[in-house]
Amino acid sequence: DGGITQSPKYLFRKEGQNVTLSCEQNLNHDAMYWYRQDPGQGLRLIYYSQIVNDFQKGDIAEGYSVSREKKESFPLTVTSAQKNPTAFYLCASTLGVNQPQHFGDGTRLSIL
Amino acid sequence: ILNVEQSPQSLHVQEGDSTNFTCSFPSSNFYALHWYRWETAKSPEALFVMTLNGDEKKKGRISATLNTKEGYSYLYIKGSQPEDSATYLCAFIAGNTPLVFGKGTRLSVIA
Repeated sequence: DGGITQSPKYLFRKEGQNVTLSCEQNLNHDAMYWYRQDPGQGLRLIYYSQIVNDFQKGDIAEGYSVSREKKESFPLTVTSAQKNPTAFYLCASTLGVNQPQHFGDGTRLSIL
Repeated sequence: ILNVEQSPQSLHVQEGDSTNFTCSFPSSNFYALHWYRWETAKSPEALFVMTLNGDEKKKGRISATLNTKEGYSYLYIKGSQPEDSATYLCAFIAGNTPLVFGKGTRLSVIA
């Protein structure tokens, strides 16, 4: 079945450590997105990529980095510069802006 | 940053009641409006993508309307069932920008 796979489901980060969240899709979608959700907030866009080898910052990109070397993969690195990384992270992909986004199951990141 | 407002923030209804909630968005430079349902412990699931003023879409007991001139969309649920309990998200696209999500309306249907 086609879909989006995020891993791990739960992740713990020590102070000063970088961690990478995985997002893989086999839907042949060009565009991929990373969102962050905090309690009482909507989904906020971190980074997005509309095509391989290209990506743009979203509203809250500081302290995060991404790469898009393959169409299927859009990993997100939470760097030590992100001072408040504890949140739920969702990855999504879509064929185009008039098409619905398909979401992964999310990764919950916590600080040790 | 574009602002998308959803109301109410949360809603409790009895099984069998019909209900509706609102999504407000900027009326200028409209491109598309999305509705998603997000059940606990699952990933958000697309309900509708709406692009034309006056659009009405329906999926089972759930329907949505769109008014791009005044900047709002309504989501209706007829005869609510406990399985409708979820957070309903709307998201707006203007011009060439990515989706901007509202904070959602959390619906609880009491049996």
